[in-house]
Formats: sequence, structure tokens, C-alpha cells
Amino acid sequence: GDSVTQMEGPVTLSEEAFLTINCTYTATGYPSLFWYVQYPGEGLQLLLKATKADDKGSNKGFEATYRKETTSFHLEKGSVQVSDSAVYFCALSGGGSNYKLTFGKGTLLTVNP
Amino acid sequence: GAVVSQHPSWVICKSGTSVKIECRSLDFQATTMFWYRQFPKQSLMLMATSNEGSKATYEQGVEKDKFLINHASLTLSTLTVTSAHPEDSSFYICSARGLADGNEQYFGPGTRLTVT
Repeated sequence: GDSVTQMEGPVTLSEEAFLTINCTYTATGYPSLFWYVQYPGEGLQLLLKATKADDKGSNKGFEATYRKETTSFHLEKGSVQVSDSAVYFCALSGGGSNYKLTFGKGTLLTVNP
Repeated sequence: GAVVSQHPSWVICKSGTSVKIECRSLDFQATTMFWYRQFPKQSLMLMATSNEGSKATYEQGVEKDKFLINHASLTLSTLTVTSAHPEDSSFYICSARGLADGNEQYFGPGTRLTVT
């Protein structure tokens, strides 16, 4: 079945540091890939997505490129801020009739001033 | 656009009672809604998928008689935790997708259930 493996963390960075959170996946066919962010006490928000190989999703300074050859979708940001502190989830959707999402375990990011 | 609300945002109930959680799509018609459970510091576990007007499809290991899901309209789905026990305490999150949304889901803010 489909699965997502992501760096579990926690990750602690200083403000303005470079961020990478690794995510790799296993899926049949051609899934769509997502990064969701969850701020403390809140639900999930879509951060970015990519629907086909070599697509780059980007939002709020975050980027991730759909790499089919390495089955990866690593999340990066050049300069993190304290407000980026949250849990980040990598996910995939294999399509099908109900478009179910398969999530990674999440990575807690803490950014210190 | 694409806003999903949940009510209540938190609830405390006594063991043995039932609790209903509502999930609403505020500005779009949700042909499919999903219910997830999230344990502390863990990922989301899909409990069930519901399509408007039909019975929910439960994931393996989820008790359908305990977690009753109703998707009576294109904007509302409810999850009822029946005869709740302390082990049912968790963060419950719903999501929804519209017919034209492909595989993108919009998530509600979640409901914190505590059973005493």
C-alpha cells in the first residue's frame, strides 16, 4: 500500500536558518504530493502541493519539488521565522474514487529567536 | 474560500455518554468528507470516508457501531462517539473535498474530546 516516510525530528533551528525536512514515499501509479502544516491547537492547513513529476510547489517561502526518480518531496525554506514553528506533515494522494490521503508521522519544528 | 468548520471545538463528557461532532463546509459543496483521529504528537489516522447520501466506509480496525458517521447533506457530516470511554479521548479532525477539487482536501480546525 501507499506510505510516506518523513524525518521525525523534532527539529530546532535559530531564526533565519535554512530548513530541510525530508519526505519519501511509496505509491503505485502517479500520486499527488502535499505538505500540510499544523499550528499548536489547530487543524491542518495545506502549505503546498505538486501533482506531477518535476512540479515545484511553493508558498510562504517554502518549496518542495516532486522527484519521481528518488520518490521524494523534501520541504525547504531558506530562512525560517519564529512563526514557522509548527508540525509539518508530508502526505500523498493516490487518487482512486475517494482521494484518500496518506500522511507521514509529522515533524515538529521549533524556531528560536 | 474552501472553509471547513467543526463544532464544538472542545468537549468534555462523562464515560458512557454519547457525543456528536459536526463538520460543515461553509462555502462549497462537499461530496466527500473524511474523519481523522489524532493522538498526541502523532500523525492523523483516517477513521472513515463518507459520501453524501451513502453509508460511510470505515477503515480497518475502526468500530462502525461506536463511531457513527452521517453525511446527510452536501455541507454537513456528523461523527457521534457512542458510549464514550476515556480511551476515546483524542483530537478529531474532519476534512472535505468538493466534486471539482480533485484530490485536495480542506481541513476543519479539529475537536478536542476528553472523556472523564
